[in-house]
Amino acid sequence: DGGITQSPKYLFRKEGQNVTLSCEQNLNHDAMYWYRQDPGQGLRLIYYSQIVNDFQKGDIAEGYSVSREKKESFPLTVTSAQKNPTAFYLCASSLFGTSGRYNEQFFGPGTRLTVL
Amino acid sequence: EDQVTQSPEALRLQEGESSSLNCSYTVSGLRGLFWYRQDPGKGPEFLFTLYSAGEEKEKERLKATLTKKESFLHITAPKPEDSATYLCAVQARGNNRLAFGKGNQVVVIP
Repeated sequence: DGGITQSPKYLFRKEGQNVTLSCEQNLNHDAMYWYRQDPGQGLRLIYYSQIVNDFQKGDIAEGYSVSREKKESFPLTVTSAQKNPTAFYLCASSLFGTSGRYNEQFFGPGTRLTVL
Repeated sequence: EDQVTQSPEALRLQEGESSSLNCSYTVSGLRGLFWYRQDPGKGPEFLFTLYSAGEEKEKERLKATLTKKESFLHITAPKPEDSATYLCAVQARGNNRLAFGKGNQVVVIP
C-alpha cells in the first residue's frame, strides 16, 4: 500500500528535551511538508522540501529543524527552543506534475506531541 | 499575503438537510484551491482540486464550486458519516505552499 506514515502516534516530551518525529512516504513524491495544527487554528507550515538535501522555512520554523537525506524521508526535530510545542503535527507530500506544478498534498495520520 | 476565510465555523445539520460551506480567499494569482476532510485525531483526507472559476467537481454527496473570490462545498442530503471538519486551502502561482483556512466543523444529527 502506498502512503505516508508518521511515528510515533503519541509523543511525550519533558521540558528541555529535543524530540524527533518521523515521516516516511512510498509514493515517490518529490516534495514533503511539515505542518502544525492547534485547536481553532488553520494548519501552519513549519518547513518544506522540494528536493533531497534542500529545504525551506515555512511560517513558524523557529525552534524546529529538519533534514532531507532521502527522497522518502523528512524527519522533524522539535528542539528545546520551541516554547510551546504541544500540538498535532502533520506531514504531507506532493508530486511535481507534468503540468509544471505541484499537485495536491496528501497527509499522514499525524503525531500528537505533549510537553509534560 | 494569501488569506483564506471559511464560514460558518460550525454547523449542525439534520440528516438529509442540505447545506453549503463557504471558503473566501485572496491570493496573488490562483494556481489551485483544495478541499480536504478531517476526522478528529486524524490527518486530512484529500477531496477536490479546483483550478479555474466556473469549475465544479462532485463526489458522492459533496459538490465543490469555484468563483474568482470564493469556493462552496455543497453537501446534499447529508448522512451522519459526513460529520467532519472540512478544510479549504489555496496555492498561489509560482508558489509550492498552501494557505489553509480554519475549517468548517460539520455535525450531522440522525
